[in-house]
Amino acid sequence: AQSVTQLGSHVSVSEGALVLLRCNYSSSVPPYLFWYVQYPNQGLQLLLKYTSAATLVKGINGFEAEFKKSETSFHLTKPSAHMSDAAEYFCAVSDRGLTGGGNKLTFGTGTQLKVEL
Amino acid sequence: SQTIHQWPATLVQPVGSPLSLECTVEGTSNPNLYWYRQAAGRGLQLLFYSIGIDQISSEVPQNLSASRPQDRQFILSSKKLLLSDSGFYLCAYDQGRNQPQHFGDGTRLSIL
Repeated sequence: AQSVTQLGSHVSVSEGALVLLRCNYSSSVPPYLFWYVQYPNQGLQLLLKYTSAATLVKGINGFEAEFKKSETSFHLTKPSAHMSDAAEYFCAVSDRGLTGGGNKLTFGTGTQLKVEL
Repeated sequence: SQTIHQWPATLVQPVGSPLSLECTVEGTSNPNLYWYRQAAGRGLQLLFYSIGIDQISSEVPQNLSASRPQDRQFILSSKKLLLSDSGFYLCAYDQGRNQPQHFGDGTRLSIL
């Protein structure tokens, strides 16, 4: 069964500092991986996706993530944090379909990013 | 462009009352549709999904039901709400295998 672990439910960085949010997955087949961001009382917005092409994936808002098969990781980074990056971030994996169609997405429990002045 | 709408944004209901949350998608045809519930610190739990009109699958047994009367309309319902039904409900769609899911803005449901 697929699963996702996000280490650190809360991460705090200074404005301008590197952002690193960790995600490890388990999957019996090559996975598709996604990072989403959620602002308070809003839905999830797709940041980036890995679909077996380049291992370094660039997303919106200056974020990127690197797929490392040997480490079963897909960590999210951003070189310089902005105050507007404060939000909750979710990693998700999809490696199988649902009965009859559809995609089974398994989400991590999320990491709340705080950006301080 | 494609968009997804959910309403209402917030809802306060008494225990035992019925529920109807609606989700519609624009700009695409025959999407896969999903209902999730989000609880604090627990990520997202898939409740229902649909690959076509009147085709609904349930992922977890519960007090809720879902229907898809039209291609781009997905409804989450309950006949009698329980306190445990409180939460943040999200609708999502995608356009095929291993495509990313796109989410609505959610409904905050509080049961009193």
